Amino acid sequence: SQQGEEDPQALSIQEGENATMNCSYKTSINNLQWYRQNSGRGLVHLILIRSNEREKHSGRLRVTLDTSKKSSSLLITASRAADTASYFCATDTSGGSNYKLTFGKGTLLTVNP
Amino acid sequence: NAGVMQNPRHLVRRRGQEARLRCSPMKGHSHVYWYRQLPEEGLKFMVYLQKENIIDESGMPKERFSAEFPKEGPSILRIQQVVRGDSAAYFCASSLEGLANYGYTFGSGTRLTVV
Repeated sequence: SQQGEEDPQALSIQEGENATMNCSYKTSINNLQWYRQNSGRGLVHLILIRSNEREKHSGRLRVTLDTSKKSSSLLITASRAADTASYFCATDTSGGSNYKLTFGKGTLLTVNP
Repeated sequence: NAGVMQNPRHLVRRRGQEARLRCSPMKGHSHVYWYRQLPEEGLKFMVYLQKENIIDESGMPKERFSAEFPKEGPSILRIQQVVRGDSAAYFCASSLEGLANYGYTFGSGTRLTVV
């Protein structure tokens, strides 16, 4: 598997339900970020969690990071149709670069009204 | 306060032609990054530039691809003698400083189709 691999590849839920997406990575990281991409558009930065943080919240988003398991999860609560998009995790790998992100293939979330 | 501006949004080129993709970073941002996204894939790093300097081009193919970020004007990603495999979405991002505390701001991308 590659660095920053999301799971599941696709997720379909009803409006109002919670959506959980997972991300696994291989190498040590400085931080991990989640991005959203609407179809045909650019990526929008959602949240950044540093390697020394375990949980972070932003509105309806909750991100956890478990560096011992090299995994992260993104929870979207009370989902809305407008949350339909692809979600990518991206890792800022160690080595002093501090600028190069490695993206996974993404989770396609569909929220049905 | 415009975000990262990329143009054109869509670009069609015949095999063998040149493609020029432009990126204007957010106001005040001096760090520019180019990424490529193939269909059904995540983004892949290509190059990192600061004004008049290429900092890291480790993700750029060795041939036909070049990038610049001049003192004045937008950053340019140039692909010479395009081939069908170059068809992809090319995204530019900018940042104030390194990634330590902030995420990228991405443009909407240029979708290159080589026919």
